[in-house]
Amino acid sequence: SQTIHQWPATLVQPVGSPLSLECTVEGTSNPNLYWYRQAAGRGLQLLFYSVGIGQISSEVPQNLSASRPQDRQFILSSKKLLLSDSGFYLCAWSESGVLTDTQYFGPGTRLTVL
Amino acid sequence: KQEVTQIPAALSVPEGENLVLNCSFTDSAIYNLQWFRQDPGKGLTSLLLIQSSQREQTSGRLNASLDKSSGRSTLYIAASQPGDSATYLCAVKGNTGGFKTIFGAGTRLFVKA
Repeated sequence: SQTIHQWPATLVQPVGSPLSLECTVEGTSNPNLYWYRQAAGRGLQLLFYSVGIGQISSEVPQNLSASRPQDRQFILSSKKLLLSDSGFYLCAWSESGVLTDTQYFGPGTRLTVL
Repeated sequence: KQEVTQIPAALSVPEGENLVLNCSFTDSAIYNLQWFRQDPGKGLTSLLLIQSSQREQTSGRLNASLDKSSGRSTLYIAASQPGDSATYLCAVKGNTGGFKTIFGAGTRLFVKA
């Protein structure tokens, strides 16, 4: 069966510090991978998605970036965090080659920027 | 641009009551619609997925309907239980523009024992 992991679970960072959130998927090959952000009381906002190693599509211009160094690893990064980067970050995956398929979500990372 | 709205934003009901959560979307050119459940501080769990050609899907006490032409979906929960307390999110996947998924802000449900 497939499993998706995210870490850390919670993170408190000062403004201007760097960020690295990691997501890994087990039990599937060449999944589509997604990063979402959920602000309090709002819906999920798609940040990035990837259909393969090194292939990243950005949905929202911002100071965040994403990378996919391995088939089942997706990393969300920032060089300098802003207060507005606070939120709940969710990683998700879906079956390879089918962007229309259902997405399966990880447990999330709660980021607080102070 | 697709917009997804969920009403009400919050709902509190006594245990045992049947209830309906509403989701509306502005662009009827969708591929599918999905209902998720989210417990506080947790990720999303898929409940029901309705393809654009379908009218409804059922799983246990849950029934989701889709009226694509009017841009509406409902999630019906029968005989609600305290364990149903969570936030319920509606998500619409378009059939153009990269098949992006647009989420509603959710309905926070509290079922009182």
